[in-house]
Amino acid sequence: QQQVKQSPQSLIVQKGGISIINCAYENTAFDYFPWYQQFPGKGPALLIAIRPDVSEKKEGRFTISFNKSAKQFSLHIMDSQPGDSATYFCAASKMNTGNQFYFGTGTSLTVIP
Amino acid sequence: DTAVSQTPKYLVTQMGNDKSIKCEQNLGHDTMYWYKQDSKKFLKIMFSYNNKELIINETVPNRFSPKSPDKAHLNLHINSLELGDSAVYFCASSQNGLGVGYTFGSGTRLTVV
Repeated sequence: QQQVKQSPQSLIVQKGGISIINCAYENTAFDYFPWYQQFPGKGPALLIAIRPDVSEKKEGRFTISFNKSAKQFSLHIMDSQPGDSATYFCAASKMNTGNQFYFGTGTSLTVIP
Repeated sequence: DTAVSQTPKYLVTQMGNDKSIKCEQNLGHDTMYWYKQDSKKFLKIMFSYNNKELIINETVPNRFSPKSPDKAHLNLHINSLELGDSAVYFCASSQNGLGVGYTFGSGTRLTVV
């Protein structure tokens, strides 16, 4: 059973455009929602994360929007650059339970010049 | 450099062999993990150790056995390798209970021929 559902599977965006990746979860006990960025041949790296007590978190060009009632969260990449081309994973976890993360299935983002 | 390091980076071996992957972290984290990433890039947790104690053991064949000699090391031993074991294996670490993200190693690409 997929605890976190992610879409789209792949995304192509023009340079300067906005990339949007969506995730939905079922378990209302989840209280930590990170996004990871993975380049080919590398391990996933933490990009940005949010707790459910806020509806939005912004770090540079990256923003997480969180909708607790809908059990959805999304990653917005503003002014997308070719260097942002990577696979993005959302995840969810409940703190203090072994820190097990449930990952989405990943979105392959390609930013074309 | 502070990091999660795993060796080897690439591993090609024949079916039926036994192999080990090593992982070390110098971040002072108390929890370490093994994840498997399949050809579709899906990340699935296999094991989690907290202070050398096994806390997560997902449905993984008995041929896979983790060993944690101390909280900075978590090795993965695989017996009787099968073609379906071919994947990228990631080690990760975190500080349990703080809701911080994982730090992943750069992965070990295992190819069973």
